Amino acid sequence: GQNIDQPTEMTATEGAIVQINCTYQTSGFNGLFWYQQHAGEAPTFLSYNVLDGLEEKGRFSSFLSRSKGYSYLLLKELQMKDSASYLCAVMDSNYQLIWGAGTKLIIKP
Amino acid sequence: DAGVIQSPRHEVTEMGQEVTLRCKPISGHDYLFWYRQTMMRGLELLIYFNNNVPIDDSGMPEDRFSAKMPNASFSTLKIQPSEPRDSAVYFCASRPGGDTGELFFGEGSRLTVL
Repeated sequence: GQNIDQPTEMTATEGAIVQINCTYQTSGFNGLFWYQQHAGEAPTFLSYNVLDGLEEKGRFSSFLSRSKGYSYLLLKELQMKDSASYLCAVMDSNYQLIWGAGTKLIIKP
Repeated sequence: DAGVIQSPRHEVTEMGQEVTLRCKPISGHDYLFWYRQTMMRGLELLIYFNNNVPIDDSGMPEDRFSAKMPNASFSTLKIQPSEPRDSAVYFCASRPGGDTGELFFGEGSRLTVL
């Protein structure tokens, strides 16, 4: 079957760095997405990786290793507004998105 | 562009009533998706359309659920009759053509069935 695993909840301190991991087992691979979802709001796109390596976009970076079925989202200089759920999603061989359950990130002052 | 527009934002209804959720995708987007999100099950794909044609409805829970896309700018998701277990947030999302690309989500319709 197809499976996306990510931690249920993480806590970090304002100003610090946090890494949210995602491992996947899917039928084929056509890219991995990270979305951010604030409570009561819609998911919004953060990043897309299809090749191995690190993609940096401001305070957020996303890493992919296809051979290991592994990705992480790195958030630097954490701000209180970064408190949200972070969803990992993999596009399979049929170009369908398989979604993880999301990681709830709590930022403490 | 105004983004994906959904209505209603909130709906409270009684068991057995018909519920209709509406979605206007971003102009020019070829794909439209209906998702359901709950705490227990996360984001679930219900159905998606390509150029107004339903492609995969295997995620539709049962015959009580139906979806239509009569034109490129409008889609509906209907539940008849509704049940308490249908309570969830229903998201509509769209994206341009091609095999990949980010999804643009609407604000969601929060449904409560009493």
